[in-house]
Amino acid sequence: KAGVTQTPRYLIKTRGQQVTLSCSPISGHRSVSWYQQTPGQGLQFLFEYFSETQRNKGNFPGRFSGRQFSNSRSEMNVSTLELGDSALYLCASSSRTLVPHNEQFFGPGTRLTVL
Amino acid sequence: DAKTTQPPSMDCAEGRAANLPCNHSTISGNEYVYWYRQIHSQGPQYIIHGLKNNETNEMASLIITEDRKSSTLILPHATLRDTAVYYCIVRVAPSGGGSNYKLTFGKGTLLTVNP
Repeated sequence: KAGVTQTPRYLIKTRGQQVTLSCSPISGHRSVSWYQQTPGQGLQFLFEYFSETQRNKGNFPGRFSGRQFSNSRSEMNVSTLELGDSALYLCASSSRTLVPHNEQFFGPGTRLTVL
Repeated sequence: DAKTTQPPSMDCAEGRAANLPCNHSTISGNEYVYWYRQIHSQGPQYIIHGLKNNETNEMASLIITEDRKSSTLILPHATLRDTAVYYCIVRVAPSGGGSNYKLTFGKGTLLTVNP
């Protein structure tokens, strides 16, 4: 089956703008998590959505938000962009069934550059 | 999630076994050890997980000490394509509607496989 897809793959924005990133999970997966990766902070968890509801949230300011649609596709929005928001944004999907140890499958990421 | 400590980098010759250590001295009885890796410019990839018994799959073997305070990921015959950052993560297994689906990544170990 197809893997996790993220669009766009690369994005350049300027400070103060807003951006929306998209993630399509593996077919049948209902959980989508978002991570930010920077050289200084490494991989950090942003939030997780399951069945259109945010279930888990990391320590990021309110400028970072997300949502999930009924088809499990998810979008992440960052408003009022700052230079420090430049990062690789990764999306991961999981089936989140009652079977434990559901591995998370990551997409290739969206490389956001804020100028 | 328990804290993990990994060496920042390791080298391995192609065709030889790569042994990546991880210390998790504060691990709790219900926490599992997970390994992920991230090849440059790609999203992280699940490798293996375990609780207290040694585990093996098509990618690697996981050896967990009897006191569970440390573990070793073994790639039996490393190839150039195994060059990546390897992350050791300790956490409670995710289950159904619970909220423990986030992964807390540390700095990981950069494994360089040399020809």
